[in-house]
Amino acid sequence: DGGITQSPKYLFRKEGQNVTLSCEQNLNHDAMYWYRQDPGQGLRLIYYSQIVNDFQKGDIAEGYSVSREKKESFPLTVTSAQKNPTAFYLCASSIRPGGLGSPLHFGNGTRLTVT
Amino acid sequence: AQKVTQAQTEISVVEKEDVTLDCVYETRDTTYYLFWYKQPPSGELVFLIRRNSFDEQNEISGRYSWNFQKSTSSFNFTITASQVVDSAVYFCALSLVNTDKLIFGTGTRLQVFP
Repeated sequence: DGGITQSPKYLFRKEGQNVTLSCEQNLNHDAMYWYRQDPGQGLRLIYYSQIVNDFQKGDIAEGYSVSREKKESFPLTVTSAQKNPTAFYLCASSIRPGGLGSPLHFGNGTRLTVT
Repeated sequence: AQKVTQAQTEISVVEKEDVTLDCVYETRDTTYYLFWYKQPPSGELVFLIRRNSFDEQNEISGRYSWNFQKSTSSFNFTITASQVVDSAVYFCALSLVNTDKLIFGTGTRLQVFP
């Protein structure tokens, strides 16, 4: 079955360490997204990519980095510069860029805890 | 500025009750899309419905129905005869054609008790 796989489901890191969250999709979707979810704040866009080797900052990109070397993969690195990294991270994809009304398909998320 | 407001933070109902989740949006664009997503306890968001700004026809899908009213900038979601499996967080979202961003509301947590 096609879908989006995020790994790991739970991740624990010490403050000051960079950590990379994996996101893989086999839906052959062009666009991929990373969202952060905090209690009571809904979802906020971190980065998105419309095509391979291209990506744009979302609303809260500071302290994060991404790469899009393959269509199927869009890993997110949470760097030590991110002041409040503990959150639930959701990866999504859409067959076309979101501006054309394509629904997003989401992974199961990664819950990152930094202590 | 674009914004989506879900004023109801949490709603609790007893099974078989009808429940309406409110969504109010703000945009000056004339062309846009509205969405509803469901987030069960497992965490992933599940797409429920998409509406474009030119289609105000209400939609019914089983126990789910959606009421889109441009005059009040609202896109409300009603669950008829709620079930325990409907317990989840529901998000309303807005997409504009000139951006790739999906603007989410803060979500409404629905708890359906047996």
